[in-house]
Amino acid sequence: GNSVTQMEGPVTLSEEAFLTINCTYTATGYPSLFWYVQYPGEGLQLLLKATKADDKGSNKGFEATYRKETTSFHLEKGSVQVSDSAVYFCALRGAGANSKLTFGKGITLSVRP
Amino acid sequence: DVKVTQSSRYLVKRTGEKVFLECVQDMDHENMFWYRQDPGLGLRLIYFSYDVKMKEKGDIPEGYSVSREKKERFSLILESASTNQTSMYLCASSAPGPSSHTQYFGPGTRLTVL
Repeated sequence: GNSVTQMEGPVTLSEEAFLTINCTYTATGYPSLFWYVQYPGEGLQLLLKATKADDKGSNKGFEATYRKETTSFHLEKGSVQVSDSAVYFCALRGAGANSKLTFGKGITLSVRP
Repeated sequence: DVKVTQSSRYLVKRTGEKVFLECVQDMDHENMFWYRQDPGLGLRLIYFSYDVKMKEKGDIPEGYSVSREKKERFSLILESASTNQTSMYLCASSAPGPSSHTQYFGPGTRLTVL
């Protein structure tokens, strides 16, 4: 079946540091890939997505590239802010699946001033 | 803006009680989902629905049931709450077809079963 593996957390960074959060997946066919973010006290919201190989999703300074050869979708940001402190979830929607998402375990990012 | 609302942010119930968690979306979405979120386990799908009166089991349906009598409302039911159902419950909705890539989430209900 489909699965998503995220790097272990939590992650603590200083403001303006470079961020990488690793995500790899297992799926048949060509899944769509997502990063969702959950700010404290809120539900999840879509951060970015990529629906085919080599696509790059981007939003709010975050980027992730769909790498089929390495089955990865790592999240990056060049300069994090305190307001980026949140839980980040990598997810996939399998090819042929009817809107079902498979989520990774999530990773907590804390950015200190 | 899509809005998904959940009936309670916090709920405390006793073991054996019947618990109803309500979710309402205002974007006429066909698809609705219930997840539970636990530390170290991420989000796990309990049930989902693609249409009124239609439901399908997710990955962890045991101990839960659902009801979808109207398109905008999707209810999660714990027939007899147990302490291992203490969790954060998240509802989501999405449109059908290609735009179904994006799921819109409610703020969550933190349920404590004593």
